[in-house]
Amino acid sequence: DIQMTQSPSTLSASVGDRVSITCRASQTTSNKLAWYQQKPGKAPKLLIYKASNLESGVPSRFSGSGSETEFTLTISSLQPDDFATYYCQHLGTFGQGTKVEIK
Amino acid sequence: QLQLQESGPGLVKPSETLSLTCSVSGGSISSSSYYCGWIRQPPGKGLEWIGSINYSGTTYYNSSLKSRVTMSVDTSKSQFSLMLSSVTAADTAVYYCARIRTGTTGNYFDYWGQGTLVTVSS
Repeated sequence: DIQMTQSPSTLSASVGDRVSITCRASQTTSNKLAWYQQKPGKAPKLLIYKASNLESGVPSRFSGSGSETEFTLTISSLQPDDFATYYCQHLGTFGQGTKVEIK
Repeated sequence: QLQLQESGPGLVKPSETLSLTCSVSGGSISSSSYYCGWIRQPPGKGLEWIGSINYSGTTYYNSSLKSRVTMSVDTSKSQFSLMLSSVTAADTAVYYCARIRTGTTGNYFDYWGQGTLVTVSS
């Protein structure tokens, strides 16, 4: 089975910072990779699909890049609403999550 | 706006069967482009895909749970069901249903229910 590994597990940042989260796959994904945001007590929300496509309604400060086995989610200017946990996903496998917390 | 809502008992005894239903409203996911997926999240932990089913009843299950999982669909009620047998405390989690958008670009969970906490305890 494919494994998805995110880094870091926790990221401390301030409002306005540019932050990046990495997701590595144990085998090629054909770029079929998504990113989700989850806030406490809420369901995950789809942000990015097919590695770099922004889901409708998602702010443009979110972007995705990468290919095959290594991918990055970038938030260009962190906003108060962005403090949450982020997950990558390929088919039926999720990464373990990255918590973005206030520095 | 498509909405999904999970329902079922919040408490299940060990060794019994967990049964949940996902009701879909505000749209249809009967197209071949969509599946309904079940995902769970133990308290304080990450997301685990349980399995997926479409309106034709085609299923895919997580290999780690396959021996205990059964999914079904009731098209007349726009409902999908999950059964997980022989539960233990390790099955305690928030259970989500979600629509899966499928295609050549991949499979993505684009609409989610609010989730329902199921606790396994005697």
